[in-house]
Amino acid sequence: EAQVTQNPRYLITVTGKKLTVTCSQNMNHEYMSWYRQDPGLGLRQIYYSMNVEVTDKGDVPEGYKVSRKEKRNFPLILESPSPNQTSLYFCASSLRDSRVDGYTFGSGTRLTVV
Amino acid sequence: QKEVEQDPGPLSVPEGAIVSLNCTYSNSAFQYFMWYRQYSRKGPELLMYTYSSGNKEDGRFTAQVDKSSKYISLFIRDSQPSDSATYLCAMLNTDKLIFGTGTRLQVFP
Repeated sequence: EAQVTQNPRYLITVTGKKLTVTCSQNMNHEYMSWYRQDPGLGLRQIYYSMNVEVTDKGDVPEGYKVSRKEKRNFPLILESPSPNQTSLYFCASSLRDSRVDGYTFGSGTRLTVV
Repeated sequence: QKEVEQDPGPLSVPEGAIVSLNCTYSNSAFQYFMWYRQYSRKGPELLMYTYSSGNKEDGRFTAQVDKSSKYISLFIRDSQPSDSATYLCAMLNTDKLIFGTGTRLQVFP
């Protein structure tokens, strides 16, 4: 089944403790992206990647890191999480031309930083 | 001003009603317009997309784009309780999608 897999689904952590949210896709998509979704603010892009070893900042990149060493994986790293990073996170992927089939989203990771 | 504006709702309608969901946008360069549906505790999934102005129909769903007014709509005919979800409009800006904040729809039996 074609899908984007995120782990973990739920995570509660403490301020300052480094964490990684994994994302993997099995559709051979070139483009991958991370979003956070907050009430009243909608989906905001954190980072995106056009292909292996190519990453760029989205609209809200502060406090986050990403890497794209393999085509299928695009982990999101929070080096020193803070409570304002409590949110629902989504990984998405698409073909290079996203007009074809749009984005495929993972099921989300609900992160709470206390 | 946000690039894409969407009424958050919630919109509550009886089963069988016609539902109209709308977005306005400010960037006249947008050419591709999409609607995503998001069920609770799930990621958004692509429902429909249209290019430029005009209508597109898929079963009970019709997407409409009016570029002159910078206004897009999604109509749902014969709405069902299974349509209860959050609907997000999205517009393609070069390499990325710009999303509306979503409208929560509840269809009650």
